[in-house]
Amino acid sequence: SQELEQSPQSLIVQEGKNLTINCTSSKTLYGLYWYKQKYGEGLIFLMMLQKGGEEKSHEKITAKLDEKKQQSSLHITASQPSHAGIYLCGAETPIKTSYDKVIFGPGTSLSVIP
Amino acid sequence: NAGVTQTPKFQVLKTGQSMTLQCAQDMNHNSMYWYRQDPGMGLRLIYYSASEGTTDKGEVPNGYNVSRLNKREFSLRLESAAPSQTSVYFCASNPALNYGYTFGSGTRLTVV
Repeated sequence: SQELEQSPQSLIVQEGKNLTINCTSSKTLYGLYWYKQKYGEGLIFLMMLQKGGEEKSHEKITAKLDEKKQQSSLHITASQPSHAGIYLCGAETPIKTSYDKVIFGPGTSLSVIP
Repeated sequence: NAGVTQTPKFQVLKTGQSMTLQCAQDMNHNSMYWYRQDPGMGLRLIYYSASEGTTDKGEVPNGYNVSRLNKREFSLRLESAAPSQTSVYFCASNPALNYGYTFGSGTRLTVV
């Protein structure tokens, strides 16, 4: 079965610093999602990547999917306390039917120190 | 506000008790999902429903049952709660393939 790994497991950065979170799959990714979870709350959809080499940005967050579609990175520029939370990557499982199911990585906990 | 609504937000059960977690979405989404989130385990799919009237097992279905009551509502039932079912439960929905999920705010369940 497909598994997702994330690194680092946790990250503490000073406000204003850049950071990168990685998501690696044991198999080719058919679709890669990034979500953010604030502590004690639900998940918020950030971005979805599908094509090898694809890159998307939203405000100060940029996500990339490598050409082989087995690794994705999430880069935050000039981090702010509002970026703190748990970042999870999710991947679509190989489609056996028309159903869309997503598996998730274990998450990366980000703390931003003012 | 439009979105996914879960009730209750918190619940404590004794071993052997039963309960139903409710989930409703008002976005006219076809697919709905139940996940559980545990420390070190990430999010694991319990059950999903691709459309009204259909349900299917996910990765960890044992000890749970679901009902897709209509297009809006997807409930999760624990017939005989066990301490291993202590977790945070999330309901999610999406309109179709290749669309991101919208998640509810979660139900924190403790079984003692």
